[in-house]
Order: sequence, then C-alpha cells, then structure tokens
Amino acid sequence: DSGVTQTPKHLITATGQRVTLRCSPRSGDLSVYWYQQSLDQGLQFLIQYYNGEERAKGNILERFSAQQFPDLHSELNLSSLELGDSALYFCASSEFTGDWTGNTIYFGEGSWLTVV
Amino acid sequence: ELKVEQNPLFLSMQEGKNYTIYCNYSTTSDRLYWYRQDPGKSLESLFVLLSNGAVKQEGRLMASLDTKARLSTLHITAAVHDLSATYFCAVSNYVSGGGADGLTFGKGTHLIIQP
Repeated sequence: DSGVTQTPKHLITATGQRVTLRCSPRSGDLSVYWYQQSLDQGLQFLIQYYNGEERAKGNILERFSAQQFPDLHSELNLSSLELGDSALYFCASSEFTGDWTGNTIYFGEGSWLTVV
Repeated sequence: ELKVEQNPLFLSMQEGKNYTIYCNYSTTSDRLYWYRQDPGKSLESLFVLLSNGAVKQEGRLMASLDTKARLSTLHITAAVHDLSATYFCAVSNYVSGGGADGLTFGKGTHLIIQP
C-alpha cells in the first residue's frame, strides 16, 4: 500500500458525461500528479500540483481539469467524455518541495474509467 | 520534447537466466526511475537514480544510470517466476528552479519468466 488513496476504483459512464476522480496523497506529501494509462498511449503525465498551485502540465486535454485543495487532496475532472477517454487514471504524490532531492513518487491504485 | 525508449518491449525468459532491460532517453536528465506493474495494478517504485554512475540493487534486480550516454539498465539476475511483470523506466522532466516534476515513461517491458 503506497498510502495514496484514489476513489472511485471503477467507473462506467456514457459519452458526453462528466466525472470527477478523487485523490488523497500520502500524509505530508505536498505534490500531487495525475497520469493516464491506456493501451494505445501508454502512461502519460497529465498535470502536477504543488501545495495547491498548478506546477506543470503534460498532455492534458482542455476537457480535463484538476485542482488541489487546502487539505492537499486533489480532484481530476473529465468532461464531455469520449470513448477514447477510457483508461486507468493514476494519482501519485511525493514530498517534492521545489528543491528536488530525489524523492520517490508513489502511485495510487488507480481509477478505472470506462466510457460507453 | 523528452522521449524515453525501452527495449525490449517483450521478453520471455527461463528461470535462472540473466537479462538486461535498456532505457534510452533523448534529453539531458539526471533523475531516472524504475517501476514495476503487475496486470491491472498500481506502479511499484523500484529504484530512483540520481546521478551519473549511480547503481542500486534490490534482491535480483540491479539498476544503473549513465547520464552521458542517456542510458539506464535494469539487470535481472537468476530470474524467478515472481519477477514476471511489466517494468517501466521514467525520466523526470525536472528543470532546476522550474519546479516541474512530471515523469515521461517508456512503453514498458513485458517480462514473462517461465519455470
């Protein structure tokens, strides 16, 4: 158990709908990351938040957005869902503080999203 | 754009044999990660390599980093069935002072170890 908690574990929804994935980082970790894993795209970095602020963006679609709250939990919002958005979405966290010292990035169990 | 290439992408080997997985990356970085993933499961951190010449070992797995060659290797010694999994290398996009720390992953090496 990495200490990173994601909900829901599985989600099935229809095209055009909107869903929210939730992540609680490991205790004390200030940095949260979101990744998407699919068969055709592999593992892709979506976005990083550090202590409530957006720090870096990867291949995140405009239909997707995220935020990190004062209690450090994070949510990934996926809207106008398409069949191709079906994937495993991982949240990860680390102690990254801006002065990188090689901290491990820990991944949660993931949220399986199926768009039908 | 940072690119990470792993090879082989698929490897079937027998127990007791040794083998190496290679990870090449395209731009300067001195922060490289190795992860293990079992089917449908999360990513388990194996190694974090920070500097040129870094070598880390855990059990039958040993990872090394050559930043000048932009190459990392994951060596498996005397493989056992329990090591069957998909192994990913990932390179940090970290830029000093920039703060961003997203990882770019390779496609993964699907390793099957047969008795």
